[in-house]
Amino acid sequence: QVQLQESGPGLVKPSQTLSLSCTVSGGSIRSDGYSWSWIRQHPEKGLEWIGYIFHTGTTFYNPSLKSRLSMSVDTSNNQFSLKLSSVTAADTAIYYCARWTKGSVREIITFYFDFWGQGIPVTVSS
Amino acid sequence: EVVLTQSPGTLSLSPGERATLSCRASQSFAGTYLAWYQQKPGQAPRLLIYGASSRATGFPDRFSGSGSGRDFTLTISRLEPEDFAVYYCQQYSSAPYTFGQGTKLEN
Repeated sequence: QVQLQESGPGLVKPSQTLSLSCTVSGGSIRSDGYSWSWIRQHPEKGLEWIGYIFHTGTTFYNPSLKSRLSMSVDTSNNQFSLKLSSVTAADTAIYYCARWTKGSVREIITFYFDFWGQGIPVTVSS
Repeated sequence: EVVLTQSPGTLSLSPGERATLSCRASQSFAGTYLAWYQQKPGQAPRLLIYGASSRATGFPDRFSGSGSGRDFTLTISRLEPEDFAVYYCQQYSSAPYTFGQGTKLEN
């Protein structure tokens, strides 16, 4: 069973960079058919997809965050990471890492987030 | 950006009743691009339905999904106490991948 675990500081000052890591266990981050994602959930609000990265380092970001966002992957440690710069209070949220899986339905390709970390709350405040 | 609007915002039902949750998209897309997630308090979302109608591992057949185009539905045929949670739909027909605002199913 694949497990994901987020780590990083729970408090970040405004204008600084938020840095989080996600450690994958129970499976290799190099496996084909998967990419590795970040999703956040603002307090009392819904979910926002941040972006994903393949084990090759190829990334795909939410355009609304792209100018401040950087993701990286460390295949030797089965980890991937997120850096979000110039944070404001609007970036306060629970941050989840998740596996984005390529599957099929009636021989048609489909995708879904099938394994999630437990989430790490991050507050942006001075 | 594809906006997903879920209704109702809150659905109050009792165990044994049938629940019907709606997800309407601002643009039409193929059903294989839609998933549903269940989230309980203090937990991460959990994949429930993918490809609009395929059940994820661990969910019983009282959960079913349907729809295509702009309108999608999640149905729970007979509610059990453990089904009370928040349900989100999510699309990936076009970036950015978006989620609905959620339907809270309460007892």
